[in-house]
Amino acid sequence: TQLLEQSPQFLSIQEGENLTVYCNSSSVFSSLQWYRQEPGEGPVLLVTVVTGGEVKKLKRLTFQFGDARKDSSLHITAAQPGDTGLYLCAGESTGTASKLTFGTGTRLQVTL
Amino acid sequence: ETGVTQTPRHLVMGMTNKKSLKCEQHLGHNAMYWYKQSAKKPLELMFVYNFKEQTENNSVPSRFSPECPNSSHLFLHLHTLQPEDSALYLCASSQAASGNYEQYFGPGTRLTVT
Repeated sequence: TQLLEQSPQFLSIQEGENLTVYCNSSSVFSSLQWYRQEPGEGPVLLVTVVTGGEVKKLKRLTFQFGDARKDSSLHITAAQPGDTGLYLCAGESTGTASKLTFGTGTRLQVTL
Repeated sequence: ETGVTQTPRHLVMGMTNKKSLKCEQHLGHNAMYWYKQSAKKPLELMFVYNFKEQTENNSVPSRFSPECPNSSHLFLHLHTLQPEDSALYLCASSQAASGNYEQYFGPGTRLTVT
């Protein structure tokens, strides 16, 4: 069974602070996706990283795929209250018949 | 309507009731999924359909019965549920059968079993 462990599980910070969320596995993934879920809604795709070592930026969010394609990180610069939500990573493996393995989730709260 | 829609958004049912959740995707995707999301637990995959054929049943109890009449519609029929089945049920779709695994989720149905 493939597992994706995210850390930290919970994070409460003030507006303007920086933070990093980690997504780790012992398995290799073909690609890795990050989603954000706000209360009462479904997860929304933020980014997909495909190549080992790849870095993608989405405004104040920076995503990195590990060289060995087993782990990923999400860094948020100058967090804002609108960043509040549940962050989920999800890995795609070859031969898994159209499904993703979702991480355990990181719940972020950004306060004024 | 755009994206993935789910109805109802909220459902309260007794343990002896029968109800159905509905999902519709307007994205032209070829794969659809049911997930269960409980407090303090990771997102749990329940069922996967590719081109309306079920390709995954993740050891889900038979009191949950999926139905996929076509590539755009997915149902989850519920009967004799237990209180521990209370959760957010999410539907998603993707083009996974064509190699694109990015999933698009509906807003979910918040189910409470009393």
